[in-house]
Amino acid sequence: GAVVSQHPSWVICKSGTSVKIECRSLDFQATTMFWYRQFPKQSLMLMATSNEGSKATYEQGVEKDKFLINHASLTLSTLTVTSAHPEDSSFYICSAQSTSGGRGETQYFGPGTRLLVL
Amino acid sequence: AQSVAQPEDQVNVAEGNPLTVKCTYSVSGNPYLFWYVQYPNRGLQFLLKYITGDNLVKGSYGFEAEFNKSQTSFHLKKPSALVSDSALYFCAVRGRGSTLGRLYFGRGTQLTVWP
Repeated sequence: GAVVSQHPSWVICKSGTSVKIECRSLDFQATTMFWYRQFPKQSLMLMATSNEGSKATYEQGVEKDKFLINHASLTLSTLTVTSAHPEDSSFYICSAQSTSGGRGETQYFGPGTRLLVL
Repeated sequence: AQSVAQPEDQVNVAEGNPLTVKCTYSVSGNPYLFWYVQYPNRGLQFLLKYITGDNLVKGSYGFEAEFNKSQTSFHLKKPSALVSDSALYFCAVRGRGSTLGRLYFGRGTQLTVWP
């Protein structure tokens, strides 16, 4: 139980194109989802927090017009990197949190998406 | 302000020996504490958490952690390490008053278990 999937697992794109990453909670409803970015050999950097049906809350320094987040349902959130540039190349990880039952208060993480912008 | 410190970037231990990965935290009020493990090019896997109750928490794969309020620590332990335990370990904290549920992560500790 508590499985979170991400798609795609890796993507290579040309500079200037947009890339959409999906995050799904497969066996529970996620009232809150989080998007992180991780650089090699470093910890996770929180980019934004999204609650189903409302606008995402972005961390300081994260451009909301560049990293569009949509939390359309209790099992799906998407991150769109618009007009991607090489400096956006990174490992993006989502997590999902349910407030119900024994899973409450725990974030469950997806497997990550490796983005390479050429 | 909430923060987590993992004082060791690297921990090396021989297979079969006990292991400890250290974590201290700073948070207002009583914390929620978590340990996650990350294998190369993968997301984080949940190991265990402390919410309330018994200070000794048992989790997945034989890991356990002890909440010590006076020392503000939550060290991860395992009695007998396996080579397959080699991975990157993250400690995380969340304040109970946090409505958004944001986690604050340590910088991670690379555990290497030698055969």
